[in-house]
Amino acid sequence: AQSVTQLDSQVPVFEEAPVELRCNYSSSVSVYLFWYVQYPNQGLQLLLKYLSGSTLVESINGFEAEFNKSQTSFHLRKPSVHISDTAEYFCAVRLLGGSYIPTFGRGTSLIVHP
Amino acid sequence: GAVVSQHPSRVICKSGTSVKIECRSLDFQATTMFWYRQFPKKSLMLMATSNEGSKATYEQGVEKDKFLINHASLTLSTLTVTSAHPEDSSFYICSVREGGANYGYTFGSGTRLTVV
Repeated sequence: AQSVTQLDSQVPVFEEAPVELRCNYSSSVSVYLFWYVQYPNQGLQLLLKYLSGSTLVESINGFEAEFNKSQTSFHLRKPSVHISDTAEYFCAVRLLGGSYIPTFGRGTSLIVHP
Repeated sequence: GAVVSQHPSRVICKSGTSVKIECRSLDFQATTMFWYRQFPKKSLMLMATSNEGSKATYEQGVEKDKFLINHASLTLSTLTVTSAHPEDSSFYICSVREGGANYGYTFGSGTRLTVV
């Protein structure tokens, strides 16, 4: 079975500073990887995903994540954060083939201070 | 991607009553929908997989008689919390699996249930 570990439960950062939210996964087979963002009292929104091809994937709002197979990681980065990026971020993994139900990490709360 | 509407966004009910939460896929025919429960500062816990025209598949530890799921059409799944207790208070979120090569999931906006 697959598992997802988000090492940081909370990441405080100042506005315009860079940020990295860490995600590691465990799986014996190939996986699809996702990052979701959740604003207070809302559902999850897909931020970006890795299915195949280039290991660096980008979102439209400046976030990027890099799939590192050897380190089984899919860390999320942004070079300069905004106040509006304050939210909960979830990493998720889904197996290629087999069960199509994703497994979510416990989430990382990104808090951007002015 | 798919558009998912969840209703109501907030509901307060008395202990012992039942509450129905609706999840609609507005532009996508969803044979499968998922229901999650989210505790404060916790990740999502998959409760059940809702299958159109058949019985839902519940995860271990989830009481199927308490959390009734009905998926009568390709665009609507409902979750009914029966005989609600304060410990059922939580944030409930539905999700639709997008088809094709997208492999993504679209989530509803969630329902905050408070049982008093």
